[in-house]
Amino acid sequence: DQQVKQNSPSLSVQEGRISILNCDYTNSMFDYFLWYKKYPAEGPTFLISISSIKDKNEDGRFTVFLNKSAKHLSLHIVPSQPGDSAVYFCAARIIQGAQKLVFGQGTRLTINP
Amino acid sequence: GAVVSQHPSRVICKSGTSVKIECRSLDFQATTMFWYRQFPKKSLMLMATSNEGSKATYEQGVEKDKFLINHASLTLSTLTVTSAHPEDSSFYICSADTGGASAFFGQGTRLTVV
Repeated sequence: DQQVKQNSPSLSVQEGRISILNCDYTNSMFDYFLWYKKYPAEGPTFLISISSIKDKNEDGRFTVFLNKSAKHLSLHIVPSQPGDSAVYFCAARIIQGAQKLVFGQGTRLTINP
Repeated sequence: GAVVSQHPSRVICKSGTSVKIECRSLDFQATTMFWYRQFPKKSLMLMATSNEGSKATYEQGVEKDKFLINHASLTLSTLTVTSAHPEDSSFYICSADTGGASAFFGQGTRLTVV
């Protein structure tokens, strides 16, 4: 049962344009969502997060949008830079009781010069 | 963000031997740490949840006698792969909770069993 899904295994975007990575979830109990960036043979790096009481959180070039009714979140990166090329994972959790993170399958983002 | 250090970053061992991987939270105390395994081109698979001072909680299908987890202090958790076999070769990653909602990850350990 895949509770967190990233349906696009890969995405290619031109440098300077906007990158939009999508994530869907099925468990309505999730109340905290996170995005991580991962390079090969390295641990994931935390990027940005959002609580279920919000619908938007922005940090520099990164913005996460949450649509609770659709159980959908997205990560916007603008402008995209070559260094953004990596695998991006969305994750969700239930905060109470320090519940485990549930990860999506990841989306490989490639930024083309 | 919070710093989580994982050691070693890469290890090669002979089949049948045991390997210990350490995960340390450097600038915070972590009551809960998580151990993951990542197969090539796959997502992170949670192996177990490690709570300081108590037994780890293993995910379904993970052999607790093979993957021994110890969380003896608020800043250190260890994963020992016992009697390693080539199929145990993988990328192992730990993460630690800061007490807030976010979790931070170690650099990962590439284990190769020959």
